Amino acid sequence: DAKTTQPNSMESNEEEPVHLPCNHSTISGTDYIHWYRQLPSQGPEYVIHGLTSNVNNRMASLAIAEDRKSSTLILHRATLRDAAVYYCILRDDNAGNMLTFGGGTRLMVKP
Amino acid sequence: DGGITQSPKYLFRKEGQNVTLSCEQNLNHDAMYWYRQDPGQGLRLIYYSQIVNDFQKGDIAEGYSVSREKKESFPLTVTSAQKNPTAFYLCASIPTGKMNTEAFFGQGTRLTVV
Repeated sequence: DAKTTQPNSMESNEEEPVHLPCNHSTISGTDYIHWYRQLPSQGPEYVIHGLTSNVNNRMASLAIAEDRKSSTLILHRATLRDAAVYYCILRDDNAGNMLTFGGGTRLMVKP
Repeated sequence: DGGITQSPKYLFRKEGQNVTLSCEQNLNHDAMYWYRQDPGQGLRLIYYSQIVNDFQKGDIAEGYSVSREKKESFPLTVTSAQKNPTAFYLCASIPTGKMNTEAFFGQGTRLTVV
């Protein structure tokens, strides 16, 4: 299975943009890049996903490198409610619907 | 509303007892998953099921068992063979064949061995 690598933790100031990186150098052509976040004592929630092109939604933006070996989740204005663990995962339904999580990045937001 | 429901939210078990965690979804999703999460750690896959009456072991299946008799339900049994069962357990579901859709997670069951 293709793996992802993320920093263990990051800090941000409230109201500032946050760029959360993810490396996936062994990504295959059919892997979608998904991001989820998990608040304490809750199940993960979907944030955004993409294949090749950059994506925007109401929660965040996803910037995907041209070679697809890395991606960056962008929170345009961090709030205290964005403090969570962010997971970058690869999904390939051709690989038996595996949904494999790594360690994620713990984002701390300072007021 | 459509969603995925786990119950109970908190569960206490005596050593040597089997316990079953419930996971139900009304999203008409084919694939369902069980994960274990230890404090400060990521999610580790226990079992997953792509269709009714079929399931596969994940990375840490020892000491656990599952069944998938109905599309909507994927219960997880933590057996006495699981030596360190205290953890946060999460259930998820996704529609198969649609890589551009999100996975849905339950709110989790926190199991404590007393």
